[in-house]
Amino acid sequence: GAVVSQHPSRVICKSGTSVKIECRSLDFQATTMFWYRQFPKQSLMLMATSNEGSKATYEQGVEKDKFLINHASLTLSTLTVTSAHPEDSSFYICSALRKREFNEQFFGPGTRLTVL
Amino acid sequence: GEDVEQSLFLSVREGDSSVINCTYTDSSSTYLYWYKQEPGAGLQLLTYIFSNMDMKQDQRLTVLLNKKDKHLSLRIADTQTGDSAIYFCAELPYTDKLIFGTGTRLQVFP
Repeated sequence: GAVVSQHPSRVICKSGTSVKIECRSLDFQATTMFWYRQFPKQSLMLMATSNEGSKATYEQGVEKDKFLINHASLTLSTLTVTSAHPEDSSFYICSALRKREFNEQFFGPGTRLTVL
Repeated sequence: GEDVEQSLFLSVREGDSSVINCTYTDSSSTYLYWYKQEPGAGLQLLTYIFSNMDMKQDQRLTVLLNKKDKHLSLRIADTQTGDSAIYFCAELPYTDKLIFGTGTRLQVFP
């Protein structure tokens, strides 16, 4: 299957700082990427859909000014958690959509964010 | 709302079969998926089934789909300790956004 990477895999930051997470599709071009959030022992919650060259589409209840998404190229989407607070601590997972005869999402390994 | 339900936990002995069940909600979903998540990792696609199919077999995995009852199941034959993980079913309605189930934690003991 295709490979999607995330960087960093783990980050610890102080409250009030901003953190950027990168999601890269390594062997295919992805016009659409997705950002998910996962709390411990829970399912994935879709935060937003990242579209190359246009604004991201946010799910209801997700603050767009808090979670900035930039999809500047066909292989890279970034999620910036601005002015992070302890309640933003979570596991963030991205996926990239490969469009063929069968549209398939390939998931990154996730980023564990801990805000102190 | 859209709730895809799964039982929380399943424990099986190594070598036995595991059956993980899922109830989805959107009858327009064209694809239904099973993903595996190991601790601290992302999701790995195990298999998928088209909504016009009743069954799909892929090596040790068998997927059964009952569209009338909106019920999906994943059977893992000869379950191994390496199969211990969380399993998520997911549906893909017309919106092209995956809707994940609540997840089933499979524990395999010797």
